[in-house]
Amino acid sequence: NAGVTQTPKFRILKIGQSMTLQCAQDMNHNYMYWYRQDPGMGLKLIYYSVGAGITDKGEVPNGYNVSRSTTEDFPLRLELAAPSQTSVYFCASSLNTGAGEPQHFGDGTRLSIL
Amino acid sequence: KNQVEQSPQSLIILEGKNCTLQCNYTVSPFSNLRWYKQDTGRGPVSLTIMTFSENTKSNGRYTATLDADTKQSSLHITASQLSDSASYICVVSVSGGGADGLTFGKGTHLIIQP
Repeated sequence: NAGVTQTPKFRILKIGQSMTLQCAQDMNHNYMYWYRQDPGMGLKLIYYSVGAGITDKGEVPNGYNVSRSTTEDFPLRLELAAPSQTSVYFCASSLNTGAGEPQHFGDGTRLSIL
Repeated sequence: KNQVEQSPQSLIILEGKNCTLQCNYTVSPFSNLRWYKQDTGRGPVSLTIMTFSENTKSNGRYTATLDADTKQSSLHITASQLSDSASYICVVSVSGGGADGLTFGKGTHLIIQP
C-alpha cells in the first residue's frame, strides 16, 4: 500500500541551483497535483495534471515546471532556485475531482533554499 | 474571492475531553467540503467529505457538520486521544471548478495533553 511516494524527504539547495522533486502513485489515479505549504498558510496549488501528457498551471506556478509522461509519475522541476521557494512541497493524486473522491497526499519534501 | 477561514488557530485540551473546530467559507457555487487531518511531518489524510445535501457525517470519533445556508462547518472530536494531536484542515470545492477548484483553510493546530 505505497499510495503516493515523494522523494527526497529533505533537501537544501543554494540560490540558483536546480532540482527535481519526484512523485509517484500506484493507485492508477488520473489526477495528480503539486502543492506548497508555507508556515501558517493554506496549501497553494502549483501545477496539476488530469492525465498523462496533460498539465496545467495552478495558483502559484512561477519558477516551476512539470511533466506527466506516465500515469504514475509527476515530477516537479525547480529552475534557478530562489529563497522564496523555501517550503514544504506535497504531491497528491485522486481518481477524479468528484465529491466522493478525496485527494491522497504524499508525506512531502522539505526544501530549503540558502 | 473564495476564502476558507478556520478557528481557532490553535487549541490545547486534556486527553479524554471533547472539542469542536470551526470552518467558515465564502466559496461559491459550493460543491463539497472536506476535512483533513495532518500529523506533524506527514501529508494530509482525508477524514470526511460532505456535499450540500449532507448535514452530518461521522468517521469514528470524528463528526463533521455542514450548514450550507450559513456556509459553516464544524468538526467535533469526541473523547480525545493523544493521537488526535495534529492540524485539521478544512477544504472547500467550488462546483464546476475541476482540479483547481479547491480552497484550503490554514488549519487548526490541536494539541492533546495527557
